[in-house]
Amino acid sequence: AQSVTQLDSQVPVFEEAPVELRCNYSSSVSVYLFWYVQYPNQGLQLLLKYLSGSTLVKGINGFEAEFNKSQTSFHLRKPSVHISDTAEYFCAVSDKGTSGGYQKVTFGTGTKLQVIP
Amino acid sequence: DAGVIQSPRHEVTEMGQEVTLRCKPISGHDYLFWYRQTMMRGLELLIYFNNNVPIDDSGMPEDRFSAKMPNASFSTLKIQPSEPRDSAVYFCASSPWDTTDTQYFGPGTRLTVL
Repeated sequence: AQSVTQLDSQVPVFEEAPVELRCNYSSSVSVYLFWYVQYPNQGLQLLLKYLSGSTLVKGINGFEAEFNKSQTSFHLRKPSVHISDTAEYFCAVSDKGTSGGYQKVTFGTGTKLQVIP
Repeated sequence: DAGVIQSPRHEVTEMGQEVTLRCKPISGHDYLFWYRQTMMRGLELLIYFNNNVPIDDSGMPEDRFSAKMPNASFSTLKIQPSEPRDSAVYFCASSPWDTTDTQYFGPGTRLTVL
């Protein structure tokens, strides 16, 4: 079974400062990794995903994440945050699977990013 | 593209009443998912459909919960009878057959059971 751990439930950061949101996963097989963002009163939106290839993945709104297989981590980073980045961020994992079709996606408990003016 | 549409956006009901949540997935998407989000348990997958057929309902908490997908453009999640512990935000999501790893979420229905 796979699992995702987001150690920080809340992260306050000043506007224009850098931020890192941590995510660790566990799985017995190869995985796909995702970051979703949820703005207040909205559904989740895909921010970025790692399927294969380069371990540094760039997403929307200036976010990027790095897949580290040895540390089983997929931390999300942004060099300079804006007020509009205030939201909840969810890390997620799914098994790669071998037969196609849907592979269950397991979501972390979320990290609330609070950008302070 | 209209995105995933859910209705109602907010629902307040009394314990014991029947509640029906509705979802219209993105046109052309083959998979449809129902999730529940609470502070205590986070985001939980309740059930998912492939081409209108329920594939895995192991996340449905009790027999009081049921879901249907009568056609490719409509799905319902029903709770009968509702209980206060069912209070949560319920999300519907859909994905195309070839990129099931990327799900497109609706805005959610906030359910409050008094």
